[in-house]
Amino acid sequence: GAVVSQHPSWVICKSGTSVKIECRSLDFQATTMFWYRQFPKQSLMLMATSNEGSKATYEQGVEKDKFLINHASLTLSTLTVTSAHPEDSSFYICSARTGFAGVDEQFFGPGTRLTVL
Amino acid sequence: AQSVAQPEDQVNVAEGNPLTVKCTYSVSGNPYLFWYVQYPNRGLQFLLKYITGDNLVKGSYGFEAEFNKSQTSFHLKKPSALVSDSALYFCAVRDGGNDYKLSFGAGTTVTVRA
Repeated sequence: GAVVSQHPSWVICKSGTSVKIECRSLDFQATTMFWYRQFPKQSLMLMATSNEGSKATYEQGVEKDKFLINHASLTLSTLTVTSAHPEDSSFYICSARTGFAGVDEQFFGPGTRLTVL
Repeated sequence: AQSVAQPEDQVNVAEGNPLTVKCTYSVSGNPYLFWYVQYPNRGLQFLLKYITGDNLVKGSYGFEAEFNKSQTSFHLKKPSALVSDSALYFCAVRDGGNDYKLSFGAGTTVTVRA
């Protein structure tokens, strides 16, 4: 149980285009989803927190107009990188928590590697 | 504010030997502590957590961790390492608040040689 999927697993795009990444909780309803960014051989940096049906909360320094997050249902959150540039190339990972009492850990997706040419 | 320090970038051990990955934390309230493992180009897999109770926590794949409040540490241990344990390990912490935000350490690369 507690499986989180991401699609696509990797994407290559041209500079200036927009890319959408989906994060789905497959066998549970996720009250909260988190989006992280990970540079090679570095830790995860939290970008934003999204709750179903409400606006995402972005961490300091993250451009909300560039990284659009939508959490339309309890099983799906999307991250859209708008007008992507080479510096946006990274590994993007989402996680989800169930909201059940006693289940505190976040369940992570497999990640999406974005390469912007 | 909350933060995690993993003082070792790399840990190298021989298969069959004990493995320890160090983690210290800083948090304003009661710490909720986690260990995750990441294999190349994959997401994070949950190993174990400490919320409350017994200071020694047992998790997946034979790993355990000991919560030490006085030393603000949560070191990950495995009595007998396997080659398949070679991966990147992250320690994470959050306070007991309701935002559930995790702060991750920089990660420790474990290499177990045959």
